[in-house]
Amino acid sequence: EPEVTQTPSHQVTQMGQEVILRCVPISNHLYFYWYRQILGQKVEFLVSFYNNEISEKSEIFDDQFSVERPDGSNFTLKIRSTKLEDSAMYFCASVQRVTDTQYFGPGTRLTVL
Amino acid sequence: QKEVEQNSGPLSVPEGAIASLNCTYSDRVSQSFFWYRQYSGKSPELIMSIYSNGDKEDGRFTAQLNKASQYVSLLIRDSQPSDSATYLCAVPYSSASKIIFGSGTRLSIRP
Repeated sequence: EPEVTQTPSHQVTQMGQEVILRCVPISNHLYFYWYRQILGQKVEFLVSFYNNEISEKSEIFDDQFSVERPDGSNFTLKIRSTKLEDSAMYFCASVQRVTDTQYFGPGTRLTVL
Repeated sequence: QKEVEQNSGPLSVPEGAIASLNCTYSDRVSQSFFWYRQYSGKSPELIMSIYSNGDKEDGRFTAQLNKASQYVSLLIRDSQPSDSATYLCAVPYSSASKIIFGSGTRLSIRP
């Protein structure tokens, strides 16, 4: 059964550095999402992406964040200048139709020191 | 502000008993409701979805929806130690179907 995959599984970075988190959605899916979960807190929506543009973004998704689908298979989340409070699990999800159930990738644990 | 509310627990249930998890949501127009299970350090895993009022059963799991009361619940029958996890109630909102999650209920099945 096809799955959403994410790399790396764990990323450690220094505050102020740029990080890129990578996701490979399921191949025929058209809608892509990033969520994050700070340790001990709820899963929060960051951004949705369709047809090579952002459909919706949350208040968390400020100018430090960007997403792109550079090559038709990967879906990336970039944080330009990481802060301590960006430390969290980041989950990618994808669906074929917007009404479909979202299935999540295994996540990337980002640790900002 | 769209909200999804759950009791955080922990909810402790003896092995073999029924675990009952509850969730309320704020938006009356919501049409879809999901229950995800999340083990510590892992991603949410979908276990049930429900769209219509009433009950939906899948194996040991039963989801119950009452749109008039804006209430959705999950029953787990014959609870097993492997059911020990955090259960997330989730409701999609907006045309892009972003999901709003509850804070989750931590369930512990004691042998």
